[in-house]
Amino acid sequence: DIQMTQSPSSLSASVGDRVTITCRASQSISSYLNWYQQKPGKAPKLLIYAASSLQSGVPSKFSGSGSGTDFTLTISSLQPEDFATYYCQQSYSTPFTFGPGTKVNIK
Amino acid sequence: EVQLVETGGGLIQPGGSLRLSCAASGFTVSTNYMSWVRQAPGKGLEWVSVIYSGGTTHYADSVKGRFTISRDNSKNTLYLQMNSLRAEDTAVYYCARDRRYSTNWYSDYWGQGTLVTVSS
Repeated sequence: DIQMTQSPSSLSASVGDRVTITCRASQSISSYLNWYQQKPGKAPKLLIYAASSLQSGVPSKFSGSGSGTDFTLTISSLQPEDFATYYCQQSYSTPFTFGPGTKVNIK
Repeated sequence: EVQLVETGGGLIQPGGSLRLSCAASGFTVSTNYMSWVRQAPGKGLEWVSVIYSGGTTHYADSVKGRFTISRDNSKNTLYLQMNSLRAEDTAVYYCARDRRYSTNWYSDYWGQGTLVTVSS
């Protein structure tokens, strides 16, 4: 199975900050990488698919990059509604494993 | 409008069985990939199972042989039959619709989740 790791596991940031979250796969997954946002008590929400494609309706402040084993999610200017937990997921092969998540807290 | 509504969760004793349902509207379940993802209390997301439009199924090792994903095309509903339940199966279970971009798959719509608690 492909293992996914994320760093950091949590971070504290201020409104307006630029935030970058890293996701790493245990083997090459090409661009088969998705990013989700989850707020407490809510279902996950798709942000980015295929490593860098922005899901319809998602603000352009979110961007994704990377291929192979290393990927990043960037939030260009953090807003209050962006404080949440972010998960990466590989869809290269089943099981479609998720990363452990990165919790973005208010500083 | 695409909607997914999960039902069937509840409190069940270890070793018991439960069937979760995911009623879909706004699209056709049988022509899409559909997944189940779970989240234990205070933990991260865990992929559980997928059913392809052609009927092929895949499972996480943690549930293989105990859980079965299926669908009823006439009811436009996805199911997860869970047998031999264990305490570690306690989680909120989400169903999701999967879409394809080139050969990349992603879950674009999710239900609200249903809580399964396995405890004596």
